[in-house]
Amino acid sequence: GESVGLHLPTLSVQEGDNSIINCAYSNSASDYFIWYKQESGKGPQFIIDIRSNMDKRQGQRVTVLLNKTVKHLSLQIAATQPGDSAVYFCAETPGNTPLVFGKGTRLSVIA
Amino acid sequence: DSGVTQTPKHLITATGQRVTLRCSPRSGDLSVYWYQQSLDQGLQFLIQYYNGEERAKGNILERFSAQQFPDLHSELNLSSLELGDSALYFCASSVAGGGESDTQYFGPGTRLTVL
Repeated sequence: GESVGLHLPTLSVQEGDNSIINCAYSNSASDYFIWYKQESGKGPQFIIDIRSNMDKRQGQRVTVLLNKTVKHLSLQIAATQPGDSAVYFCAETPGNTPLVFGKGTRLSVIA
Repeated sequence: DSGVTQTPKHLITATGQRVTLRCSPRSGDLSVYWYQQSLDQGLQFLIQYYNGEERAKGNILERFSAQQFPDLHSELNLSSLELGDSALYFCASSVAGGGESDTQYFGPGTRLTVL
């Protein structure tokens, strides 16, 4: 598949370690945030979302943290696996407007 | 598999030509979104249709147009193609009109190469 984002920031993590992917968003009016995972040659896949009235939300092996004061979002992946290797995008929206996607971070898992 | 289908998977054409990309949303979804993804770029929102009507417009060039049909499938038309239009084009669909908790599900994309 085509390689997405050849010059993206890259995070390299040992298999089994925890990963933290960060995202700074731009619009202080944004009230809904989503993390997507994009594997090579595939479309983005929804991982987890969070509303602005929350500061933490947990899923299966993933946790999203939201700090509205500094407009920062993070995605934590526990016990990172080779299948987690992908490009991760955060997206934001201030209400009923289209999602705005960040540039993405490439996660590379070292076996 | 997200349930969103896109055809064709690959498309190679020449500058100045016109192409049509097709998208079928997930069953029951009323909104269709189109995005462009170039190398080194994130996903750029182009346009959204909701139940047949244009709902939101992003950075879509005048040479590009889209429509959503009564059966809710959508087509993105790209004309007078330029080399810079080479990209991945994704379609996404959602149940409602967008916004909070209206999760967008993405198709596998169409890779357009303009020579």
